[in-house]
Amino acid sequence: DAMVIQNPRYQVTQFGKPVTLSCSQTLNHNVMYWYQQKSSQAPKLLFHYYDKDFNNEADTPDNFQSRRPNTSFCFLDIRSPGLGDAAMYLCATSGSTDRRAEAFFGQGTRLTVV
Amino acid sequence: AQKVTQAQTEISVVEKEDVTLDCVYETRDTTYYLFWYKQPPSGELVFLIRRNSFDEQNEISGRYSWNFQKSTSSFNFTITASQVVDSAVYFCALNCPNTGGFKTIFGAGTRLFVKA
Repeated sequence: DAMVIQNPRYQVTQFGKPVTLSCSQTLNHNVMYWYQQKSSQAPKLLFHYYDKDFNNEADTPDNFQSRRPNTSFCFLDIRSPGLGDAAMYLCATSGSTDRRAEAFFGQGTRLTVV
Repeated sequence: AQKVTQAQTEISVVEKEDVTLDCVYETRDTTYYLFWYKQPPSGELVFLIRRNSFDEQNEISGRYSWNFQKSTSSFNFTITASQVVDSAVYFCALNCPNTGGFKTIFGAGTRLFVKA
């Protein structure tokens, strides 16, 4: 059974039109991550939540925002998608409080910007 | 600076061959964790192994084995008797909790093709 679920699997949005990607987890993990992965590249961390504490990576554009209304759900909002934002977006969770635990990943949402 | 280098972009082997995926890491931290993940065509990254910096024991899990050598800052991954289902992108990753918090740094990945 899937433990980290991302919806939708594929998302097409128009240039400049806000889009929201969603992630839910059944693991009750306290840490949730959003990664951006462009074609043939490594996943790049955008931000993460430790419980309700939001931690933004220094090089994450302001265009990317996130919300975590409860333990199970986390959303990635792209306020004005550009062509360069087309990528796979991966949500992940981890449960350790000492930062060493492996992450559990969802299947990703592939975003196309037209 | 913390960095993970996977020099092999793509590897192609024939089924039943053994294959080793290389990973070299850089960090000045004494406490760190190394990971390998597999990313099949379906997209999700699947955790394979975690090693901490204080445990240099090699590990074997079925056809998979890992060789961790601090002297060369390497954490190589060997698949014995490869199978078509092993075809995927494999990522080596590094976490340094004392300086990097929850951030995990991924290498660029190695795409493995196993041909029947």
